[in-house]
Amino acid sequence: DTGVSQDPRHKITKRGQNVTFRCDPISEHNRLYWYRQTLGQGPEFLTYFQNEAQLEKSRLLSDRFSAERPKGSFSTLEIQRTEQGDSAMYLCASSPRRQREIYYEQYFGPGTRLTVT
Amino acid sequence: GNSVTQMEGPVTLSEEAFLTINCTYTATGYPSLFWYVQYPGEGLQLLLKATKADDKGSNKGFEATYRKETTSFHLEKGSVQVSDSAVYFCALRDNNAGNMLTFGGGTRLMVKP
Repeated sequence: DTGVSQDPRHKITKRGQNVTFRCDPISEHNRLYWYRQTLGQGPEFLTYFQNEAQLEKSRLLSDRFSAERPKGSFSTLEIQRTEQGDSAMYLCASSPRRQREIYYEQYFGPGTRLTVT
Repeated sequence: GNSVTQMEGPVTLSEEAFLTINCTYTATGYPSLFWYVQYPGEGLQLLLKATKADDKGSNKGFEATYRKETTSFHLEKGSVQVSDSAVYFCALRDNNAGNMLTFGGGTRLMVKP
């Protein structure tokens, strides 16, 4: 049983550099979500996809953040021109879509911890 | 907007003690409510959920009841174990606003033998 995987698990970068994180959802889950979690806080929703369509992106923190899911499978989250305030854990989650169910449980990956120096 | 407030930690208990972690929420409409748990070094896991008022979610000895009148979803366990030491997050899903989750700030539970 493979869960949601994220790569890398840790990333240290210098301010101003671009970084990209990858998320591989559970096979056949068509919904994929990105969250950010800062130290001592709960996760904060960023964006989500249904298949390859990005259905909600207004919560992305700035125009430096972008996400893609080109083939409806894995997704990438890119942060351009990183700032120290971007240091956080970036979480990915996926969920299946079942008919006639309102709630689709989200399964979370282990996260990518970003440190901007 | 939607928000979740939960008691600050850390909560430190002795093994077999009774646990309550308070959670209250603000939401438009009728949200679904959840408790997630994050064990050290692991990802978030769904612990239990309730989708409508007066529902009780339960799992692994933990329980929480959806109280619409007090907008609360307090987590309880009758007898905690050392292995329950983790961070617990209360969350809501606004059923009218897609599937995104709004989380509280988390409560760290430490159980001593």
